[in-house]
Amino acid sequence: DTAVSQTPKYLVTQMGNDKSIKCEQNLGHDTMYWYKQDSKKFLKIMFSYNNKELIINETVPNRFSPKSPDKAHLNLHINSLELGDSAVYFCASSQSGTGSYEQYFGPGTRLTVT
Amino acid sequence: LAKTTQPISMDSYEGQEVNITCSHNNIATNDYITWYQQFPSQGPRFIIQGYKTKVTNEVASLFIPADRKSSTLSLPRVSLSDTAVYYCLVGDNGAGSYQLTFGKGTKLSVIP
Repeated sequence: DTAVSQTPKYLVTQMGNDKSIKCEQNLGHDTMYWYKQDSKKFLKIMFSYNNKELIINETVPNRFSPKSPDKAHLNLHINSLELGDSAVYFCASSQSGTGSYEQYFGPGTRLTVT
Repeated sequence: LAKTTQPISMDSYEGQEVNITCSHNNIATNDYITWYQQFPSQGPRFIIQGYKTKVTNEVASLFIPADRKSSTLSLPRVSLSDTAVYYCLVGDNGAGSYQLTFGKGTKLSVIP
């Protein structure tokens, strides 16, 4: 059984389109995250959700919106895609604890905007 | 600005011990230091986590000095399969705001 899964694995789309990436975890964790990894392999946190509440919201464009229907799912919706959005997006989950960030990552979604 | 820094790359021969250091001058008081390993086309994988002094598990050791402004991941007797990128992760209170910050990663190449 996959602990953290993402769909799709690859996403190719044109500028201006709207797309969503889905994430599900079966670990029973209460916190989920979205990260962006650029071409230089830098990992940057975009969002995290704890018990359906946004607890970290980095300075990402408001074209990006996380949606969590329940604590096992955190989807990422992107409006008006731009070339600079091309990257690998990782979902992760963890169990909250004071200062602890043992996260489990999904396999990633490679987004290519043309 | 808040900063977490680590060497860009390291080379090592098989069987040697490898130490990768991450500096995190503005680490949040209550946060642990966490290290991840990433292979190409995969998500990062948790290796080890610690708050202070020394932590050891079946994969690695983590050394953290008293001031917690740095940490050193130690991989004993590396093999070719340890070739990967290694990231440190801390909560950072630099610039007056809290951020969960990954280092930029250290690419470890293990040579036969």
